[in-house]
Amino acid sequence: AQTVTQSQPEMSVQEAETVTLSCTYDTSESNYYLFWYKQPPSRQMILVIRQEAYKQQNATENRFSVNFQKAAKSFSLKISDSQLGDTAMYFCAFMNPLQGGSEKLVFGKGMKLTVNP
Amino acid sequence: GAVVSQHPSRVICKSGTSVKIECRSLDFQATTMFWYRQFPKQSLMLMATSNEGSKATYEQGVEKDKFLINHASLTLSTLTVTSAHPEDSSFYICSPRRTNYNEQFFGPGTRLTVL
Repeated sequence: AQTVTQSQPEMSVQEAETVTLSCTYDTSESNYYLFWYKQPPSRQMILVIRQEAYKQQNATENRFSVNFQKAAKSFSLKISDSQLGDTAMYFCAFMNPLQGGSEKLVFGKGMKLTVNP
Repeated sequence: GAVVSQHPSRVICKSGTSVKIECRSLDFQATTMFWYRQFPKQSLMLMATSNEGSKATYEQGVEKDKFLINHASLTLSTLTVTSAHPEDSSFYICSPRRTNYNEQFFGPGTRLTVL
């Protein structure tokens, strides 16, 4: 079974700084998807970024980028120019695509990020 | 696009009563629906997976007779917590997967408090 590990339970950063959130996973599959989700205090889950394992290029979305190291099974999220609105729980997630569309997301335990003014 | 509504957002009920939570995908069709439960400061725990028109598949440890899931259409799924007890108090989140897409969207969640 796949597992996702987020070893840092909590981090804080000053506004405008850069922060990196770590995530490792374990799988024997070669084709899969990785995601970072954000859950602000409202508790609405928001997709931050996704990465297909077959793509060598690291995904980027504005201030968010990932460092995907397939051999090391590592998938870290870098947030540049941190903003107060980035304060949230961040969840790393893994999905192994199968036939039928019932693929499950496997979530890490999450990490609480606080951006201080 | 990809708007998901969940109703009610908050519900307080007495022990022993049943509560129904509705989840609607407003601008897309969802063949598959996932229901999660989240305790404070914890991750999302998958409760069950349902495909439209089929019986739900429950995760180990989740009582199917207690948490009734109906996925009668491609835009509506319901979770009914039957004979609720205080230990069922939690945050429940639905997550429809858009047909033919490898992406899940999430409802805003329902906070259930059982007195």
